[in-house]
Formats: sequence, C-alpha cells, structure tokens
Amino acid sequence: EAEVAQSPRYKITEKSQAVAFWCDPISGHATLYWYRQILGQGPELLVQFQDESVVDDSQLPKDRFSAERLKGVDSTLKIQPAELGDSAMYLCASSLGVGGPLHFGNGTRLTVT
Amino acid sequence: GESVGLHLPTLSVQEGDNSIINCAYSNSASDYFIWYKQESGKGPQFIIDIRSNMDKRQGQRVTVLLNKTVKHLSLQIAATQPGDSAVYFCAENMSGTASKLTFGTGTRLQVTL
Repeated sequence: EAEVAQSPRYKITEKSQAVAFWCDPISGHATLYWYRQILGQGPELLVQFQDESVVDDSQLPKDRFSAERLKGVDSTLKIQPAELGDSAMYLCASSLGVGGPLHFGNGTRLTVT
Repeated sequence: GESVGLHLPTLSVQEGDNSIINCAYSNSASDYFIWYKQESGKGPQFIIDIRSNMDKRQGQRVTVLLNKTVKHLSLQIAATQPGDSAVYFCAENMSGTASKLTFGTGTRLQVTL
C-alpha cells in the first residue's frame, strides 16, 4: 500500500537554529497537509496545499515557519529560528482531493533544546 | 471556541470484548467525521468516516454511529484484539470534505489479555 514518506524521523536541534522537514505524498495526491501534534493532543493543521498553491496557512506562524511545494509533489516545512515550544511531532498528510480522507506519514519528531 | 472532545481519556477492555469509544462535538455545522487510530511512534491511520446524512456506517470489525441530535460520535470495535491497542482520535470538518479537520485529544485503548 502506498505511503506518505517523511524524513527525518527524528531531529534534535538547539533553539535559534534552523530545521527542515521533507514530505513525499502518495503519488497522484494533489492535496498535501502539514500538521503539528503536541504529545497527548490531536494534530493541528499548519498549512494545506492544493498542487503547488497554498490554500490555507492561517495557523502557520509565518514569522518563523515556511512551507513550499514548488512542483506540486513533495514539500518542505522549515522553522527558523526554532524555539523550545516547537518541540512536537510534525505530520504530513495527503489526499487525492479535498473530498477524501487524509493519509498520514509517520512524522518527524522534533526536539528543541 | 468550538471543539471536538472525548469523554474518556483511557479505555481498558479485555481481548475478545467489544470496545466503544465516544466523542462529543460542539460544532453543529460539522458534516463530515473521521476516526483515526494512532499507534506509538506512527502517524494517524484512517479507520472509517461518516457524513452527516448517515447515522451509521460499518467497516471490517468497526462501526461508527453518529447522533446529530446530541452531537455525539462513537466508534465500536468488535472482538477487540491486542493489535487494536492505540490512541483513537475523532475528527470533524465543516465543509463535507477532509480538509481542515479538527481533531480531539484522543482516547487510549488498552487491550488486556
């Protein structure tokens, strides 16, 4: 079964450093999402792409977070500078279109020290 | 703000018994609901979804019930197995699609032998 690929699986960084996460959605999935999940809580949407366009980034802290999906396939989420409160699981998900269920990757666990 | 929540943070059931995981939602405009299963260290896995024009939907060993009158959602797992041990999230959406899902905080299901 096709999966959403994410890397790295784990990332430890010092505060004020820059970090980047990569996501490769299921082939053919036009819609891509980045979610953040704090331990013990449900995922929260950061940004949603339709092909290469951002359709919702209302919850993305744009002073330090950025996301891109230049060719409408894989995507990168960047944090610069990282803060202690950014420690969380960063999940990527994709769907065939806006009408279908989301398929999640296994996430990147970020620890900021 | 409006939110999706769960009544029980932890549910312990014996192997072979049926499990019922409950979820209350507060947004009466929500019209699409999904249940996800999340195992430790993994991303959420789609289980089953239901739209607001239905009150019951069945899958393999799982049934989702939707009561719009009291804004309540439940997931029933038949003949619970050790592999069912995980955190279960309900999620809601207002536009009838899977975009902009709002997740609850989750219920941990523990299956005892």
